[in-house]
Amino acid sequence: GESVGLHLPTLSVQEGDNSIINCAYSNSASDYFIWYKQESGKGPQFIIDIRSNMDKRQGQRVTVLLNKTVKHLSLQIAATQPGDSAVYFCAQSGGADGLTFGKGTHLIIQP
Amino acid sequence: DAGVTQSPTHLIKTRGQQVTLRCSPISGHKSVSWYQQVLGQGPQFIFQYYEKEERGRGNFPDRFSARQFPNYSSELNVNALLLGDSALYLCASSLVSYLPETQYFGPGTRLLVL
Repeated sequence: GESVGLHLPTLSVQEGDNSIINCAYSNSASDYFIWYKQESGKGPQFIIDIRSNMDKRQGQRVTVLLNKTVKHLSLQIAATQPGDSAVYFCAQSGGADGLTFGKGTHLIIQP
Repeated sequence: DAGVTQSPTHLIKTRGQQVTLRCSPISGHKSVSWYQQVLGQGPQFIFQYYEKEERGRGNFPDRFSARQFPNYSSELNVNALLLGDSALYLCASSLVSYLPETQYFGPGTRLLVL
């Protein structure tokens, strides 16, 4: 079946540096992509989304880039803070078939 | 405004038992989806309900069932529990189901099957 996967299971960055989390997707028909942050013991928290008619979208300290040619999605977090430590998931919408998630990238912030 | 709420937060059952999990969506949201998240993996889609009707179903056995009530809250039922059903069960709500849009998740119910 279709899947969304992440390149790295763990990413360690220094506090204050920028973080880049990558994601490859396989369902080229999907037109909506979401990044979620999940802290230990909590449900996934919406960070930012992007539709397939866009290639970049910015939020507060976060930017999502979409490259449909190579089916690649990335999340950039500027000036990483300790509170950014979490597992980050990319997901693509399948309409009534729900969201398809990857396994996640664990972002670790070094002091 | 309250987000998605789920109950109970934790649950311990034994193999063969049945369990019912509950979810209340964000006020104004009419669509509820259920996901299973096994430790170390991303959530897996189980069901989507919209206007009290099942709109989508993931690759889960018939032991899993759900329903949505007139107030848009929802229940997930799992019969004949197996050890492999141990997971975090997440509920997510969205305004509608027929457009690709953001789903907002609740804190989940952690189910342990012994």
